[in-house]
Parts: sequence; structure tokens; C-alpha cells
Amino acid sequence: DVKVTQSSRYLVKRTGEKVFLECVQDMDHENMFWYRQDPGLGLRLIYFSYDVKMKEKGDIPEGYSVSREKKERFSLILESASTNQTSMYLCASSFGQRGLYEQYFGPGTRLTVT
Amino acid sequence: AQTVTQSQPEMSVQEAETVTLSCTYDTSESDYYLFWYKQPPSRQMILVIRQEAYKQQNATENRFSVNFQKAAKSFSLKISDSQLGDAAMYFCACANFGNEKLTFGTGTRLTIIP
Repeated sequence: DVKVTQSSRYLVKRTGEKVFLECVQDMDHENMFWYRQDPGLGLRLIYFSYDVKMKEKGDIPEGYSVSREKKERFSLILESASTNQTSMYLCASSFGQRGLYEQYFGPGTRLTVT
Repeated sequence: AQTVTQSQPEMSVQEAETVTLSCTYDTSESDYYLFWYKQPPSRQMILVIRQEAYKQQNATENRFSVNFQKAAKSFSLKISDSQLGDAAMYFCACANFGNEKLTFGTGTRLTIIP
């Protein structure tokens, strides 16, 4: 079974702190994604990586950055956390071959910024 | 840009009955993929069913089936013989061929009444 893990299920940080969210997948997937999930807004893509050290902005990249130094690991960084970044963050991964678009999701990290 | 619309924020169904969740989408591409994902309470999101746009036959997976109306850009999910374990948030999503990013709808929360 594909496994996608995230470093924390719950996280509480203060405004202005630098926050790291880690995601690891064990299926040698090329693609990795970070989403945030908010009630009534569904899932919105923050960043996408299709290879090591490669990244692409999603729909809402402002206030976030990412790092992918190894194929299996994709980190989301909040440079200076703000209260409007309080949300559920979901990581996902998928094969890079055309026609295989299914994304496998991690359990999510519920981040609260106070 | 593609959009996915789920107009039913919440639905409920009696156990053992059938329920249909609605989804409409808009894309300028002729070749794309459609998905239904399930997110149970406090659990990971998983793929329920997928449909390739070039296939006329509606996809089925056990008790789950879709009604894909390409001209109307409609992609509804039918759950037959509803079970308590079907209670979850359901998200409809779309991916254009060659672009591995998914666009998600805002979700439908399904409640199963015992």
C-alpha cells in the first residue's frame, strides 16, 4: 500500500514563527503536492513538485515556500506564520506517468496559528 | 482554468438506501479525468472512483457508480445500499490530460442515518 505520512497531526504556532510541515511518501512517486483545506472552500493547491528540486506554484502560494531535496520528502514552509494560515494542510503524491493521475493523501496536519 | 462545482454542501440518506451526489465541471480540454474522493472523519482521503472522459461507459466500483454526462459536464456519484461507513466528505475533482494537478470541488458532507 502507498503510504504518505505527515510529521504532525496537530500543530500550534505563534504569529511570526517559521513553520515546517514535512511529508514523506514511500512509493517512489515523482509528483508531490501541498494543499490547504478550509470549510466551504474545498482543497486548494499551494505548491506542486514534479521532481527533486523542481517546484511549481499552485493557486495560493503567497506566504508559503517549499523544499524537495529528496524524492520521497516534500516540505512546506511558512516563513512567518499568520492567523489566516490556520487551516488543515494535506500532502499528496502521485506517479509521474501520463494517465496515472490518482493522488494518494497523507492524514493531514491541523495547524493553528495564535 | 478548470472549475469544479458541488452544489450540495450536505446530504443525508437512510442506511441501505441510495443517494446521488452532484458535481459539474468546466474545462476547455477535450481529454481529461474525473474523480470522486472520500474523506472519512479524521481519516485520510482516498479515491473512490475515476472516469476517463474518452470512455462512454460509466465507471463502477462495487456499490459506487457514476453518471457521466459529457455534453452537460456533469459527473454525479451514486452510492447504493448506503452503509454507516460511507459517512464522509466527498470531493469531486478534475485533471486535464497531461496536467497532473487536480482541481477539487468544495465537497459534500454525507450523513448516514441508521
